[in-house]
Formats: sequence, C-alpha cells, structure tokens
Amino acid sequence: AQSVTQLGSHVSVSEGALVLLRCNYSSSVPPYLFWYVQYPNQGLQLLLKYTTGATLVKGINGFEAEFKKSETSFHLTKPSAHMSDAAEYFCAVLWGYQKVTFGTGTKLQVIP
Amino acid sequence: DVKVTQSSRYLVKRTGEKVFLECVQDMDHENMFWYRQDPGLGLRLIYFSYDVKMKEKGDIPEGYSVSREKKERFSLILESASTNQTSMYLCASTPGLAESYEQYFGPGTRLTVT
Repeated sequence: AQSVTQLGSHVSVSEGALVLLRCNYSSSVPPYLFWYVQYPNQGLQLLLKYTTGATLVKGINGFEAEFKKSETSFHLTKPSAHMSDAAEYFCAVLWGYQKVTFGTGTKLQVIP
Repeated sequence: DVKVTQSSRYLVKRTGEKVFLECVQDMDHENMFWYRQDPGLGLRLIYFSYDVKMKEKGDIPEGYSVSREKKERFSLILESASTNQTSMYLCASTPGLAESYEQYFGPGTRLTVT
C-alpha cells in the first residue's frame, strides 16, 4: 500500500493571496497523482491529474500542481485565492490497478 | 456529463437495522467503489467492483457487504448497523482505461446510526 501525506488539516489564506496546499506520497513506482475538491455537502470532483509528460499540470478554477519526483511531492497552488475556493482538498495517488489512496484532506479557509 | 447518483442524501437508522445504500452511474463504467469519509481520516475504501457480480475488499470491509447485479448499480449493505458506522458514504465510478483513472463521485449519503 502507498501513503499520502497532506501537511496541514486546515489552511487559512486571505482573499487574493497565494494558495499552497502540500502533498507528499510514497510510491515505489511512477504514480498517477490527483487533486480533488469537495465543497460542503457534496461529493468530490477532480481538480487536476498527473499521469505522464509535463510535470506542471493545470486544472480547473486556476489551480495547478507540479510533480517533483525527487521530492515525491505534488503540491497544489493558485496564485490568488477567491472566496469560492473555500472547500476541502484531497490529494490522491493511484499505485496499482484501481488502487487509489487518498490523503486525509486539507480544509481551505479564505478570509475576506 | 458522467452522473453518479446515490439513493439518499441523509439517512437515520437504528442500531441493528439492515441498511441499503444504492449507487447508480449512467456512463457504462466498469469499476465502482464505496468509500466512507470521516473527519481527519480522509476517504477509506470499503469495497470495489470491477465487473458485474465481481467485488474486491478494500481497506475496511468489516461490517459491510456489497452487491452488483447490474453494471450501472452498486449497493452497499450494512448487515447490522452499529453506531460506529455513522459516517459519510461516497460512491464513485471509473471507466477501465488507464488514462481515465479519474474517479467520478456521487454526492454522498450521510448516515447516522442511533
């Protein structure tokens, strides 16, 4: 089994500030990596994913993430936070056929 | 758009009751999953199914069973509900292709067992 570590269960940023949500994984094979977002009382939806190719991946709503193999990291960033970004964010790694491990989630609070 | 629906958004059951949670997807996906979500623990896989009548245990299958009689429908069964099964339950599906390993989630069922 693989593990996914999300540093910080709660992150607060001011509106307009940089958003940085951290994710580190353990994997002995090249992983597929994902970020999902969950708005209150909803299911998860995909923000972005890394499979192969370019290590900087752009997703929806202005988010992007960079796969750094040497650091086993896949941090999520957004240059300027918006109030609508307040949600819980989950990092996930696919490490075998349909074997996905999710991180424990980071709740993002955006302060006006 | 892929749509994954769950039969109930909120459910309240008593200890010892048999509980059925239903999930339906409309995109002909081969794979379907049941997770439970608890604060601070993220999502934990209960069971998944890769074909009709096929199932595989996830990380926390104890106290649960599943049924997949039709490709579009995947049911989670709590044989005898207990208070420690109070949780948010999320269903998801994926097609079988490697480049499409994105999971499509339903809105969730918040189950309370009293």
